[in-house]
Amino acid sequence: EVQLVESGGGLVQPGGSLRLSCAVSGFTFSSYWMSWVRQAPGKGLEWVANIKQDGSEKYYVDSVKGRFTISRDNAKNSLYLQMNSLRAEDTAVYYCARLGSGMDVWGQGTTVTVSS
Amino acid sequence: DIQMTQSPSTLSASVGDRVTITCRASQVINSWLAWYQQKPGKAPKLLIYKASGLESGVPSRFSGSGSGTEFTLTISSLQPDDFATYYCQEYSSYSQNSFGQGTKLEIK
Repeated sequence: EVQLVESGGGLVQPGGSLRLSCAVSGFTFSSYWMSWVRQAPGKGLEWVANIKQDGSEKYYVDSVKGRFTISRDNAKNSLYLQMNSLRAEDTAVYYCARLGSGMDVWGQGTTVTVSS
Repeated sequence: DIQMTQSPSTLSASVGDRVTITCRASQVINSWLAWYQQKPGKAPKLLIYKASGLESGVPSRFSGSGSGTEFTLTISSLQPDDFATYYCQEYSSYSQNSFGQGTKLEIK
């Protein structure tokens, strides 16, 4: 079964850091671009970052550039999002997704709350 | 950056109705457009890829059309399970993948 499982969310103070993980199973992880997408409470979907199969290309939405880092470990079938200098506006459910033709597989999401 | 604009933002309809949602891109994206369905508390689900390709397992009452900058998602006969929020997304490059703001489909 193709599956993505996120973890690592939680409550963090403004200015703090958090590392999200996405464990992948059921497909050849190293063959796909991967993405992070977030959804603030009551709001729409926002693309956050993409990473190429070998990690050699990474792209970010402007609002997280310089603060977030996407990475992957193909040996561990895992995707990561390191989030630094967190702000209240980063509060959201964060989803990892497989980027095939469109985002064809999604995890269940992990919630990040930035608040003092 | 490419901006995606959906209309309407909210749509009220009844079971059995035919409904259409429109998505407009701020620049040409050829057919690199996807449509997703999202229900409260759940992850989005891919319905349509490459503007008109029906994702495996998605009912045939869903269809997509368009190319360039104008796209539509049509549900031919609304079923109770279809009341949800729908998003379009462009994926013309890997450097950004913008979503539309969403269309909430409500029961009339």
